[in-house]
Amino acid sequence: KQEVTQIPAALSVPEGENLVLNCSFTDSAIYNLQWFRQDPGKGLTSLLLIQSSQREQTSGRLNASLDKSSGRSTLYIAASQPGDSATYLCAEIPSSESGSEKLVFGKGTKLTVNP
Amino acid sequence: DAGITQSPRYKITETGRQVTLMCHQTWSHSYMFWYRQDLGHGLRLIYYSAAADITDKGEVSDGYVVSRSKTENFPLTLESATRSQTSVYFCASSRGGQGQYFGPGTRLTVT
Repeated sequence: KQEVTQIPAALSVPEGENLVLNCSFTDSAIYNLQWFRQDPGKGLTSLLLIQSSQREQTSGRLNASLDKSSGRSTLYIAASQPGDSATYLCAEIPSSESGSEKLVFGKGTKLTVNP
Repeated sequence: DAGITQSPRYKITETGRQVTLMCHQTWSHSYMFWYRQDLGHGLRLIYYSAAADITDKGEVSDGYVVSRSKTENFPLTLESATRSQTSVYFCASSRGGQGQYFGPGTRLTVT
């Protein structure tokens, strides 16, 4: 059974710092991987989607990379701002589930950016 | 562009009552999903649907029923609500290979 792990569970940084959030998965045969952001009491907002044939995706200050051989993905946030404070979730679709599109979620990293 | 909507946003019901949570998407996405989110458990899949009239169970489907007669709607019914079904429920949709997109959630309390 595919498992997705996000470490650390919580992270607190000063404003302006560049930071990396980590996601690891047990089976390297993945279909795609998606990073989400969740604000307290809100739904999940899709940030970046990386297809299995891709190595990275970028959107503004966010960059997500995928290394299937090591079973890892990282989300890089440049020049962090207090508005980046949220829980960040990593989720992937194993290749075996490409027909169902079922995501396997990590538990998330709660990020706090202090002014 | 409404995207994906859920109703009601908040619901309080009593143990044993039937409750239906609604989900509607305007993108004509083939795939739709229902999740519940609880502290300590993260997001867990309840049911999913690959197309109209095609549904299948997820990880935690006991006590829930779904239907999908139209592509855009995917209602979730709790047949006889229990306190353990107190949770936040999220609906999501996907075109297939293009990522999942989530609704705002329904916070359900069973007393």
